[in-house]
Amino acid sequence: GENVEQHPSTLSVQEGDSAVIKCTYSDSASNYFPWYKQELGKRPQLIIDIRSNVGEKKDQRIAVTLNKTAKHFSLHITETQPEDSAVYFCAGYSGSARQLTFGSGTQLTVLP
Amino acid sequence: DVKVTQSSRYLVKRTGEKVFLECVQDMDHENMFWYRQDPGLGLRLIYFSYDVKMKEKGDIPEGYSVSREKKERFSLILESASTNQTSMYLCASSFSAANEKLFFGSGTQLSVL
Repeated sequence: GENVEQHPSTLSVQEGDSAVIKCTYSDSASNYFPWYKQELGKRPQLIIDIRSNVGEKKDQRIAVTLNKTAKHFSLHITETQPEDSAVYFCAGYSGSARQLTFGSGTQLTVLP
Repeated sequence: DVKVTQSSRYLVKRTGEKVFLECVQDMDHENMFWYRQDPGLGLRLIYFSYDVKMKEKGDIPEGYSVSREKKERFSLILESASTNQTSMYLCASSFSAANEKLFFGSGTQLSVL
C-alpha cells in the first residue's frame, strides 16, 4: 500500500517568516495530495489539495508543489502568523487501495 | 456546513469490555471512515465504507470491526478492548470518494484501563 513520510516533525519559525513542510510518497499511481490543519483540540480541516495533473497550487499565503518524478510534495506558508500554529498533515490517495494515507504530522509553532 | 457527529468526546472503559463508537453525518455522504490518531503516528485508517452494509479494511483493522446499517451512521466496535487501543478516534465522511475533501468529527478520546 501507500506509504507517506512527512518531515520535519516539529518546526518553529518567527512570525513573518516562511515555513516549508515536505512529504514523500511511495505509490506512483497516487493522484491526489491534500493537506490538513489541526489546531489544538480541534478536528482536522482541509486547507489545500493538489491533483497529479498539476505541479503547483496557491491559495493566498499557502501553496503546495508536487514533483511526480521524485514522488514528493511540499506545503509552503508565507508570512506566517500566530494563528498558523497547528499540526499539519499531508496525505496521498492511492486509487488502487481507494484510501487516503496520512503522514505523521508536523507541529508548526509561529513565534511572535 | 457538513456536520459529522461523534457520540462521545471522552470515554473510559475497562480491558475486555465491548466498546461502541458511533458516528453520524448529516449530508448524505457516500463514504465514511474511521481513523485513530496517536502522537508521532499521524492518522491511521482502521476501516472505511463506500456504501450501506459495505466495509473495507484499512491499514490497522486488527481488533476492530464496523457496522454501517444506515447511510448516515458508521459505528466502530472494539470487541474486547485492550490498553493498546487507548487513542483518539476520528470519524470522517466524504461525498463520493476518498480523493475528495474529508469532513472530520471532533473525535473520541478513548482510555482503556
